[in-house]
Amino acid sequence: DQQVKQNSPSLSVQEGRISILNCDYTNSMFDYFLWYKKYPAEGPTFLISISSIKDKNEDGRFTVFLNKSAKHLSLHIVPSQPGDSAVYFCAANDGGSTLGRLYFGRGTQLTVWP
Amino acid sequence: GAGVSQSPSNKVTEKGKDVELRCDPISGHTALYWYRQSLGQGLEFLIYFQGNSAPDKSGLPSDRFSAERTGGSVSTLTIQRTQQEDSAVYLCASSSQQASYEQYFGPGTRLTVT
Repeated sequence: DQQVKQNSPSLSVQEGRISILNCDYTNSMFDYFLWYKKYPAEGPTFLISISSIKDKNEDGRFTVFLNKSAKHLSLHIVPSQPGDSAVYFCAANDGGSTLGRLYFGRGTQLTVWP
Repeated sequence: GAGVSQSPSNKVTEKGKDVELRCDPISGHTALYWYRQSLGQGLEFLIYFQGNSAPDKSGLPSDRFSAERTGGSVSTLTIQRTQQEDSAVYLCASSSQQASYEQYFGPGTRLTVT
C-alpha cells in the first residue's frame, strides 16, 4: 500500500523555466516531509524538507509547498538547470514509534534540456 | 568528511545462496537504516537501528532477511537462500539524533540473483 504517491514518472522542462514536482500522501499522521534527489549509481541526497506546521519552505532555487487539507506537496525549482536532471523522491515521516523511518514515493525523473 | 559507505557495490549471486551486505555509517550517527529499491519502485524500508534500542524490523519481507549492527557502528544485512525477487539496490542510510529525519544515504549495493 503506497502511502506516498508520485503520479508523474517523468517531467521534461527547458532550462530557465520552472519545474514543479508533485506528491500526494494518504496518511494524515505524517508530520514531516522531505525531498531527495538521486543521480544514477548514487544514493539519494537530501534536498529540502518541511514540517507540517508550515505551508512553505524555501532554500535558494528550491521551494516546497505543503497543502495539508489536500494531502499534497510540491517542489518548485526555479530557474531549472541541466544539472537538476535527476530522479526526485518525495518522502514522509509520521514521527511515531518508528521515528526516522521514511516512506518514499516512486520518484519522478526530471530532465532539464538546454 | 566521509559519507556512508557500502560494500560491495555490486553482487551477483545464484539463487539459493546467502549474501552479506555491509554498511559503514557516518561517524557519530546513532541511527542506521536499510532500504531497498526494486526496479521501478520507490525506496522500501527494511530495518532501523537507533542507538542501543531494539531494532525496528517491521519492514523485513521474510525471515530470510536479518541485520545486525555491531558496536553501534557497522551494520550487516544478510539474505539467506536468495530468490530472484530479492534482486534490487540495497541502500543504507544514517542520521544523527538531532536531525533524525534527514538521512544520509550510501551509494547502495546492487544485488542480482540469477
